[in-house]
Amino acid sequence: NAGVTQTPKFQVLKTGQSMTLQCAQDMNHNSMYWYRQDPGMGLRLIYYSASEGTTDKGEVPNGYNVSRLNKREFSLRLESAAPSQTSVYFCASSPVGLGTQYFGPGTRLLVL
Amino acid sequence: GQQVMQIPQYQHVQEGEDFTTYCNSSTTLSNIQWYKQRPGGHPVFLIQLVKSGEVKKQKRLTFQFGEAKKNSSLHITATQTTDVGTYFCAGFTNTGNQFYFGTGTSLTVIP
Repeated sequence: NAGVTQTPKFQVLKTGQSMTLQCAQDMNHNSMYWYRQDPGMGLRLIYYSASEGTTDKGEVPNGYNVSRLNKREFSLRLESAAPSQTSVYFCASSPVGLGTQYFGPGTRLLVL
Repeated sequence: GQQVMQIPQYQHVQEGEDFTTYCNSSTTLSNIQWYKQRPGGHPVFLIQLVKSGEVKKQKRLTFQFGEAKKNSSLHITATQTTDVGTYFCAGFTNTGNQFYFGTGTSLTVIP
């Protein structure tokens, strides 16, 4: 089992460019999450999907969109990247909504 | 603003000393989870507490959930260099069903 995988590992974008961060889990978990981590701010929830077919906003959803493609995959899209979106992005999954979260290795994004 | 705060932000200890991080929420939490993140790594789940006043132990680590379910603590006895990392608390709020991570405490252990 690979657990939670994320692609790409690193990305550099110019302001205004778009990109999609991919996340997949092979643990048959129902819930999936996207976080961003900035120094001194901890992890902040961007969007989550409690189950296949549903998505909800977290604490900092502005500038992002998500798609729960199927039970395994949950993608995060930046339509028009801004320097304020420079961060480390983590995807996570959990068997149930309030349970243990398993994190992927992260994507380091730099927006110039 | 940030709903869950942790203190201290940084802590340096000599190997063998004890360490405590405190987690405080502005609202009542349904549960509290603790995660550890090694430098350059991703958060790894340590434990979950659900009941008011609950105390759980994992070897040298002791976790507490406050009676009002608004605060929690993690205490490490006799730190080792393997304890280095950032410790985060996290929890679901009763209102709005939002999930928040704390700001984290970065632990450095000096051999």
